[in-house]
This record gives sequence, structure tokens and C-alpha cells, in this order.
Amino acid sequence: GAVVSQHPSWVICKSGTSVKIECRSLDFQATTMFWYRQFPKQSLMLMATSNEGSKATYEQGVEKDKFLINHASLTLSTLTVTSAHPEDSSFYICSARDIGLNPGELFFGEGSRLTVL
Amino acid sequence: DAKTTQPTSMDCAEGRAANLPCNHSTISGNEYVYWYRQIHSQGPQYIIHGLKNNETNEMASLIITEDRKSSTLILPHATLRDTAVYYCIVSPAGGFYGGSQGNLIFGKGTKLSVKP
Repeated sequence: GAVVSQHPSWVICKSGTSVKIECRSLDFQATTMFWYRQFPKQSLMLMATSNEGSKATYEQGVEKDKFLINHASLTLSTLTVTSAHPEDSSFYICSARDIGLNPGELFFGEGSRLTVL
Repeated sequence: DAKTTQPTSMDCAEGRAANLPCNHSTISGNEYVYWYRQIHSQGPQYIIHGLKNNETNEMASLIITEDRKSSTLILPHATLRDTAVYYCIVSPAGGFYGGSQGNLIFGKGTKLSVKP
């Protein structure tokens, strides 16, 4: 099946720095990608919808200036956590749908674990 | 908010069938039932989805009641590697079919523990 890859798998950074996470669709084109966040022992929470060539759509309560999303090509979306703080430590997961195949299947990346010290 | 209700946890003996129930009494006519699972510290993995007919693939079977208000995911021969959190999600088919963007809203899921 289709593959979605995230990089890095894990990152540790100091408070106040910015961290970029990449999400790539490896063998299909994705006009839309989704970014989720998951805190320990909790379910996935949708943060934003990334649209190729246009601005992302953010869920209520998610700061668009803090979580910058860029979807410059049909195979790459990036999430930048700006001025990260310890409360931003979480598991960030992206997903994409290959509309050329089974429209019902949403493919997820491996996740990126962010730890802010 | 998630539109499904699942038991918090279940145990299953290795080699036996695991039957995971899901209630979705407010499901709409255009909404599919999706099942995903998440093994610890990994991204969710697609298992199966269906609209109203029962579905089967190499991983599992999905049984949807006639009124579509509930469904059951069946893992026919559970192994230790099937230990995971299983999410039942209802959502319109997005993307190609238009309408919804195609994102999925996750509930708390069922933590399935397969024991030797």
C-alpha cells in the first residue's frame, strides 16, 4: 500500500527553539495531508489540514502562528513548531489520502516524537 | 467529538478470535465505518472499512449490523503482535468523492491485549 514517511522520528530541543517535521507521501500524490498530535495515553487530535498550494486549515484552539504548516508540493508537507515549550512535547503524526487508490484509506506516517527541554 | 463508543479494553488469548465491538448509533447514510489500530509509539495502521455490507480482507473481517448502528471487527486468529489500541471511526469518504476533506476524528479506542 501507499507509504507516508515522517522525519525526524524523534527530536529533542531546547525551549524557545523551532523544530521542523517533514511528512512525505512516497509513492503517491497527496493534495491534502493532515497533522495530528497525540499526548501520552490519549487519542489522536487533529491539529490542521494541509492543502497543497494554499493555506492550511487549523482546528479550533490550535495556534496557526505557533504551528506553521507548509504544503509546497504534492508529496511534502512540513510542520514547524515555533518557539517550542515543554508543553509542546508530544507525538506528532501526519496522514494523507491517495485519491488515486482506495479513497477510504488514510495512510499515516510513523510519527515524530518531540521532547522540549 | 468522536461518534463511536467502544469498550476501553479487552483481553484475548493468542490464537483465538478477537471480536471488537463498536456502537455508532448516530451514523449518517453517507458515513463509512473505518477501523484503524495503533501499536505503541507508532502511527495508526489502516485495517478495514465498510459502508453497509460485511467486509473481509487479509487482516480482519468487519460485520456491520443491518441498521448500521453497530459493528464488530473480527481478528480471526489473534497473535501477540495484534496487541494495540483499535479505533472505530465513522466518517464520510473524503477526497475523491468530494464533501469532507477526508480527515478522521479519533475516539479513545479499545486497548486489545493478546495474551499467550
